[in-house]
Amino acid sequence: QKEVEQNSGPLSVPEGAIASLNCTYSDRGSQSFFWYRQYSGKSPELIMSIYSNGDKEDGRFTAQLNKASQYVSLLIRDSQPSDSATYLCAVNMKSNYQLIWGAGTKLIIKP
Amino acid sequence: NAGVTQTPKFRILKIGQSMTLQCTQDMNHNYMYWYRQDPGMGLKLIYYSVGAGITDKGEVPNGYNVSRSTTEDFPLRLELAAPSQTSVYFCASSYLGTPDRGEGELFFGEGSRLTVL
Repeated sequence: QKEVEQNSGPLSVPEGAIASLNCTYSDRGSQSFFWYRQYSGKSPELIMSIYSNGDKEDGRFTAQLNKASQYVSLLIRDSQPSDSATYLCAVNMKSNYQLIWGAGTKLIIKP
Repeated sequence: NAGVTQTPKFRILKIGQSMTLQCTQDMNHNYMYWYRQDPGMGLKLIYYSVGAGITDKGEVPNGYNVSRSTTEDFPLRLELAAPSQTSVYFCASSYLGTPDRGEGELFFGEGSRLTVL
């Protein structure tokens, strides 16, 4: 069973602090990794994608990938109340071109 | 820029009724997907399609059917609705290319909230 695991939260972070979200996956052959943000009652939207080991930065967001340890993380710097949402980790397991989704981590940014 | 359009947004069905959720995309994407999302859960793949005329089962296909007669449209059919099919349904599409062209990035519709009573 190919799985993607996330802490369901909620994760509460003060405004202006760094929020750290983690995700582990079971398929060592996975190729592509994605973080989606989902506001309550809305559809998921892509925040970051990462394909190789290391860090990838985009504005206040940094995705980190460690294939040896099979985890991917998302850091949000200078957290804002508008960052409050559920963050879904998705992994593309090359064998069948499908994305496997974690259950999501609910993030709450406290003013 | 319509993207992915799903209809209806809300629907209440009685047990045993049937209905079709419509999905259309205008981005000329090869891949289309139907997911369901239950409260507090991740997305579960129902069916997907890699192109017109080709469909395949995902993780939870029982009780559903799909067709893909054109690149743009990917309707989901619910036959004999059951309370277990109460969920939010998302249609999505993607262009499956090389990693530097956004392989795996999904574009979602706004979702269809279905209640079966």
